[in-house]
Amino acid sequence: DADVTQTPRNRITKTGKRIMLECSQTKGHDRMYWYRQDPGLGLQLIYYSFDVKDINKGEISDGYSVSRQAQAKFSLSLESAIPNQTALYFCATSAGATDTQYFGPGTRLTVL
Amino acid sequence: TQLLEQSPQFLSIQEGENLTVYCNSSSVFSSLQWYRQEPGEGPVLLVTVVTGGEVKKLKRLTFQFGDARKDSSLHITAAQPGDTGLYLCAGGSNYKLTFGKGTLLTVNP
Repeated sequence: DADVTQTPRNRITKTGKRIMLECSQTKGHDRMYWYRQDPGLGLQLIYYSFDVKDINKGEISDGYSVSRQAQAKFSLSLESAIPNQTALYFCATSAGATDTQYFGPGTRLTVL
Repeated sequence: TQLLEQSPQFLSIQEGENLTVYCNSSSVFSSLQWYRQEPGEGPVLLVTVVTGGEVKKLKRLTFQFGDARKDSSLHITAAQPGDTGLYLCAGGSNYKLTFGKGTLLTVNP
């Protein structure tokens, strides 16, 4: 079984709809991250959480919110989706005295 | 703001050739990660280097972290079609990663 899972894997929605992407991990890591990936732009950090009570904005947090429901679960919400939020979204985890992160399989989101 | 410049952006070679991908920054990082990503999938960790001048080998892949911890290189010997993919470097600092834009490698049979 995968250590980091994301649901759904694919989602098509319309402009203005509220969307939630979910991430779960069985690695026991305390740090979790949300990224978006656009062609030619690499991975950009949206939000990160170093533990359940610690949530921080990344470089592109506008239009997004997050919830850390438990150590193993970190959700990303788009309150009112817009077409330029069409992208691949990845969750990642990390722990210990290392910067290394481990990624989930991603969610492909299309906003029409 | 920390930036990582990755080059080349695209690389198309024949099976058996050697290649090197570069990752450069003006910033110092505490670590440097290399990932490989397949289309529609998440990045998969290849290696982490943490010491200036460190060299790590993974079969036909050789990774080097610059002495000043600002740059890194990935060298592939005798590339195979299975090496095809997007290679991403990521500099680590304070438990966050800064990513390069990636090198899309195609190895033709």
